[in-house]
Amino acid sequence: QKEVEQNSGPLSVPEGAIASLNCTYSDRGSQSFFWYRQYSGKSPELIMSIYSNGDKEDGRFTAQLNKASQYVSLLIRDSQPSDSATYLCAVNDFNKFYFGSGTKLNVKP
Amino acid sequence: EAQVTQNPRYLITVTGKKLTVTCSQNMNHEYMSWYRQDPGLGLRQIYYSMNVEVTDKGDVPEGYKVSRKEKRNFPLILESPSPNQTSLYFCASSFVAGGNEQYFGPGTRLTVT
Repeated sequence: QKEVEQNSGPLSVPEGAIASLNCTYSDRGSQSFFWYRQYSGKSPELIMSIYSNGDKEDGRFTAQLNKASQYVSLLIRDSQPSDSATYLCAVNDFNKFYFGSGTKLNVKP
Repeated sequence: EAQVTQNPRYLITVTGKKLTVTCSQNMNHEYMSWYRQDPGLGLRQIYYSMNVEVTDKGDVPEGYKVSRKEKRNFPLILESPSPNQTSLYFCASSFVAGGNEQYFGPGTRLTVT
């Protein structure tokens, strides 16, 4: 059974701080990695995708991938109250997708 | 507007009564997929389709059927729903699988009594 593990949280950070979200996955053959944001009662929306080891930055978001450690992370700089949501880690493995159960982030004004 | 639509958005039904949840995308995507989301379990893939007439099982296919007769449509069929299929269902699509962003529909909340 392929697994994607995330700390369920909630993770609370003050406004303006860096939020760090972590994800581990079980299958070394996994090829593509994604972070989705899901507001309560809404559908998931893509924040970042990453395919190779290292960092990928997009605005306030940085995704980090370490395939040797089977670890993916998402950093959110200058966190805003509007970033309060559940963040889902997703892993693609030969046309199938596996999602973690999500980490709930609370950004306090 | 590029979008994935699902109908109905909310459905309450009884055990054993066949139902279909429709999904349609207007982005000419090849890959389409169905997920269910349950508290504490995250999103789990039910079925996916690489293209017309090509479907395959995801992680939790039991009790579900799908078909892909047209590129834009990917209905989810529950032939004999049971209470353990009460869940929030999402349809998603992308240009191809793997390295592409999936666009999600608004979700269908299904309750089976």
